[in-house]
Amino acid sequence: AQKVTQAQTEISVVEKEDVTLDCVYETRDTTYYLFWYKQPPSGELVFLIRRNSFDEQNEISGRYSWNFQKSTSSFNFTITASQVVDSAVYFCALTMNRDDKIIFGKGTRLHILP
Amino acid sequence: DAEITQSPRHKITETGRQVTLACHQTWNHNNMFWYRQDLGHGLRLIHYSYGVQDTNKGEVSDGYSVSRSNTEDLPLTLESAASSQTSVYFCASSELAENTGELFFGEGSRLTVL
Repeated sequence: AQKVTQAQTEISVVEKEDVTLDCVYETRDTTYYLFWYKQPPSGELVFLIRRNSFDEQNEISGRYSWNFQKSTSSFNFTITASQVVDSAVYFCALTMNRDDKIIFGKGTRLHILP
Repeated sequence: DAEITQSPRHKITETGRQVTLACHQTWNHNNMFWYRQDLGHGLRLIHYSYGVQDTNKGEVSDGYSVSRSNTEDLPLTLESAASSQTSVYFCASSELAENTGELFFGEGSRLTVL
C-alpha cells in the first residue's frame, strides 16, 4: 500500500532560523512522483514542487530546498532563514505514475515566530 | 485564465438532508478529485474520475457519490448528511499526460452539518 508519513505535527521556530520538514513515503512502484504543497492561513493549496522517482538531485528554489533520498524513502523540505510568511501547513504527497491519484500526508503546521 | 471553482464556499445544513457541492474546471483536464480536510487527518480522497462517465471510490467514500457527465464538472453529493461529514472539501483536477499528478485545487467548500 502507498503511504505518506509526516511525523512532525507542529513545529515552531523563531524567524530567521532554518527549519526542516520531514516526509517519509511508502510505495512498491518504481515510478512515482513526490510533491510538497503549502496551505497558508487563507486556506488555499499552493503547489511547491514535484519530483519524479528517477531524479534524486536535490533542488533549491530561493530559500526553499528539497532533499530526496530513495535509500531512506524520504523527501524532506528545508526552509532557510525562515520568515513569518512561511507560517502555514505543509503537505507532502505521493502519486504513482500508473493512476495519477495523489495521496497526502497529514501535514505539518509550521509557526514562524517574529 | 483557466481555473477551478467550487460552490458554495460555505454551507450549513441539517442532519439527513441531501447536499451537493459543485466543482467546475476550465482546464479541460480529464482527471478530477474530491478531498476532504479534517484536523489530524490531512487531505483524504473521497472520489475521483479519469474522464466522462468514469468514477472511482477513494479511501473515505461512504456516504458520498459523484457523477461525471461532462469534462468540466464533478459534483459531490452527500445523500443524507451526517455530522461526521462536517469538513472542508476540496476539488482538484489534473491532466495525466501533461502534469502527471500535479493537482490544481479549488478554493474549498466549508460544510457544517448540524
